Amino acid sequence: AQSVTQLDSQVPVFEEAPVELRCNYSSSVSVYLFWYVQYPNQGLQLLLKYLSGSTLVKGINGFEAEFNKSQTSFHLRKPSVHISDTAEYFCAVSEGGAQKLVFGQGTRLTINP
Amino acid sequence: DTAVSQTPKYLVTQMGNDKSIKCEQNLGHDTMYWYKQDSKKFLKIMFSYNNKELIINETVPNRFSPKSPDKAHLNLHINSLELGDSAVYFCASSQARVLADTQYFGPGTRLTVL
Repeated sequence: AQSVTQLDSQVPVFEEAPVELRCNYSSSVSVYLFWYVQYPNQGLQLLLKYLSGSTLVKGINGFEAEFNKSQTSFHLRKPSVHISDTAEYFCAVSEGGAQKLVFGQGTRLTINP
Repeated sequence: DTAVSQTPKYLVTQMGNDKSIKCEQNLGHDTMYWYKQDSKKFLKIMFSYNNKELIINETVPNRFSPKSPDKAHLNLHINSLELGDSAVYFCASSQARVLADTQYFGPGTRLTVL
């Protein structure tokens, strides 16, 4: 069975600092990987996804993530964060061809001025 | 224009009542989903429908009954509400059944059972 672990429940950073949100998954087959963002009192919005090909995936709002198959990781990064990036971030996985998304526990990113 | 809309946004009710949450998408998508997000922000899929056909039912109590009158709508009816049903319920849709397709989420319905 698939599972997703987001190693940090909360990450506080200062504005304009870089950030990395960690995500590890477990699966015995090929996977699709996703990062979603949930702004306060809103639904989830896709940031980026990895399906195949280049392991470095670029998403919206300056975010990127790198798929590392040997470490079963899909960490999310941004070189310089803004106050508006304050949100909950969810990593998710689905096994190839399966229809179900399995989400991690979420990481709350807080940006301090 | 709202792509995926849900009504109501907030729902407060007593234990034992029956309630419904409505979801509509205007994206022309074939697949719709219901997710439950608990108080710890943990998000889990409940149901998935493709062209009005039930595809996924994730061991949800049968007090929960999804209904899809057409492929643009997926409503969630809950009988005999319990305290543990308190959560935020999200509807989502995607173009097809393949998970490579992006899922678009509605704004959520916060259900509080007293």
